[in-house]
Amino acid sequence: QVQMVESGGGVVQPGRSLRLSCAASGFTFSTHAMHWVRQAPGKGLEWVGFIWADGSEKEYADSVEGRFTISRHNSKNTVWLDMNSLRVEDTAVYYCARDPPGSGWRLDYWGQGTLVSVSS
Amino acid sequence: QSVLTQPPSASGTPGQRVTIYCSGSISNIGSNVVNWYQKFPGTAPKLLIYSNNQRPSGVPDRFSGSKSGTSASLAISGLQSEDEADYYCAVWDDSLKVVLFGGGTKLSVL
Repeated sequence: QVQMVESGGGVVQPGRSLRLSCAASGFTFSTHAMHWVRQAPGKGLEWVGFIWADGSEKEYADSVEGRFTISRHNSKNTVWLDMNSLRVEDTAVYYCARDPPGSGWRLDYWGQGTLVSVSS
Repeated sequence: QSVLTQPPSASGTPGQRVTIYCSGSISNIGSNVVNWYQKFPGTAPKLLIYSNNQRPSGVPDRFSGSKSGTSASLAISGLQSEDEADYYCAVWDDSLKVVLFGGGTKLSVL
């Protein structure tokens, strides 16, 4: 069955870095774009960014552009979110989600999320 | 303030029909398909409606979606207590080159 498992969350001080991982299984990972979406405490869903199936294209929300980087390794069925210069406002549960080819940005399966807490 | 506008809350009684609206612009809803997600506290979002009006396998036909111009809507008929959740519209924006989520609508079943 389709599954995504995020890991790497934790407590980090402002200005520091953190890498989140999303391990995928149960589908052909190399044909799917992958997204990261976050939800801050008491807030709504916020799209963070995505990476195309072959890794050739990436887009990011303005709020993380220049600080966050998404990468993937199709042989390892894994996508990463590298977060630098973390801010208190980056505190959130981070989800990875898959986007089937030609789906119109449909995020049809999501991981369970990993919590990132940025605090001094 | 989200680019996609949803009412922060909606409510209904069991058995009623409730509609949640999502308002955007020509560069997002006006140009691309809309997807809807259901989210319960502490759980991952779930795709509820895709491509404006399509239901993934397993989603009851009580849930339906539509789009007209720069607005979209999610209708829930035969409201049940288990429908109490947060609902989000989402769409790609051609100008901003981002996926936009609406601010979310908290549905209460009275």
